[in-house]
Amino acid sequence: GEDVEQSLFLSVREGDSSVINCTYTDSSSTYLYWYKQEPGAGLQLLTYIFSNMDMKQDQRLTVLLNKKDKHLSLRIADTQTGDSAIYFCAEKGGGYQKVTFGTGTKLQVIP
Amino acid sequence: GAVVSQHPSWVICKSGTSVKIECRSLDFQATTMFWYRQFPKQSLMLMATSNEGSKATYEQGVEKDKFLINHASLTLSTLTVTSAHPEDSSFYICSASASGTDTQYFGPGTRLTVL
Repeated sequence: GEDVEQSLFLSVREGDSSVINCTYTDSSSTYLYWYKQEPGAGLQLLTYIFSNMDMKQDQRLTVLLNKKDKHLSLRIADTQTGDSAIYFCAEKGGGYQKVTFGTGTKLQVIP
Repeated sequence: GAVVSQHPSWVICKSGTSVKIECRSLDFQATTMFWYRQFPKQSLMLMATSNEGSKATYEQGVEKDKFLINHASLTLSTLTVTSAHPEDSSFYICSASASGTDTQYFGPGTRLTVL
């Protein structure tokens, strides 16, 4: 089946940029998502990108997609302590296919 | 927009009892709802997909007689954990998507603890 991998942990200083990476195996992915989960809460959709795009920017968030390498990244500019959370990338194939989530990356922002 | 609620947010029950968790889409019609289970420090595991008015489609390894799913309206789906046991203790999260869209919007989750 499809597989989505992420590094487990990232620590950055407040004000720096954070880059969270994700790799996936499904070559037929049509949508790729980034979700944020704060402790004890559900998932908040941050942004998503269509597979025919290379980049998407939304305020402090920049998503880069390298479809050839099946690599997705999320860059958070000027990282704040409120950005501390677990970030999940997820991919969805064409047609009716379930969304496959990555293992999640815990982002710790040091004041 | 695209708000999904869950009720209750947490529940503690005795072993052998049944627990019902509700998932509601508050400001859109959810033709498809999904139920996930999340173990501590792990990713989400899809349990089942339900379309309004149809029987749910369960993922491999998920007991449909134990995890009863009902999606009777376009704004409500329920998950009933029957004869709960301590190993069913987990964080259950639902998501919903509207007709013709692929994006899932997630509820805040329900923490179930079975004593």
